Amino acid sequence: EPEVTQTPSHQVTQMGQEVILRCVPISNHLYFYWYRQILGQKVEFLVSFYNNEISEKSEIFDDQFSVERPDGSNFTLKIRSTKLEDSAMYFCASGQESNQPQHFGDGTRLSIL
Amino acid sequence: SQQGEEDPQALSIQEGENATMNCSYKTSINNLQWYRQNSGRGLVHLILIRSNEREKHSGRLRVTLDTSKKSSSLLITASRAADTASYFCATTGGAGSYQLTFGKGTKLSVIP
Repeated sequence: EPEVTQTPSHQVTQMGQEVILRCVPISNHLYFYWYRQILGQKVEFLVSFYNNEISEKSEIFDDQFSVERPDGSNFTLKIRSTKLEDSAMYFCASGQESNQPQHFGDGTRLSIL
Repeated sequence: SQQGEEDPQALSIQEGENATMNCSYKTSINNLQWYRQNSGRGLVHLILIRSNEREKHSGRLRVTLDTSKKSSSLLITASRAADTASYFCATTGGAGSYQLTFGKGTKLSVIP
């Protein structure tokens, strides 16, 4: 069964550094999402992406965040200058239609030191 | 903003028993979905129920939706040890918004 894959599984970065989290969505999906889950808290929506542009974003997704689909398969989340509070699990998800189930990857654990 | 809130926060049952988890939300929805998360893994979609549906079944899962009470329940029948996981409800709103808004989840432990 096709799945969403995320790399790396764990990323440790110094505060202030840039980090890029990578995702390969399911190949025939058109809608792409990033969520994060701070330890012990709810899964929170960050951004959705369709037709090569952001369709929705949350208040969390400020100017230090950006997303890109650089080619036909990858979907990336960049955090320009990481802060301690960016430490979380980051999940990528994709969907075939906008109002259909989203398929999640296993996440990248981001630890900011 | 809409929210899914599950209760109980934690549930411990014996294998073979049924498990019921509840979810409440605050605003109108397009659909409500239930996801499972095993420790350290991603979220796995279980079932989706649309706002005009009242009940849905999938294998050992039964979901109900009461839009007048803004609540949903997930029933897992004949539970197995492998059902041990956290279960989350998530809602999508209207007007072209398809982001998922998650609750805090119910941690289910099924004791063999």
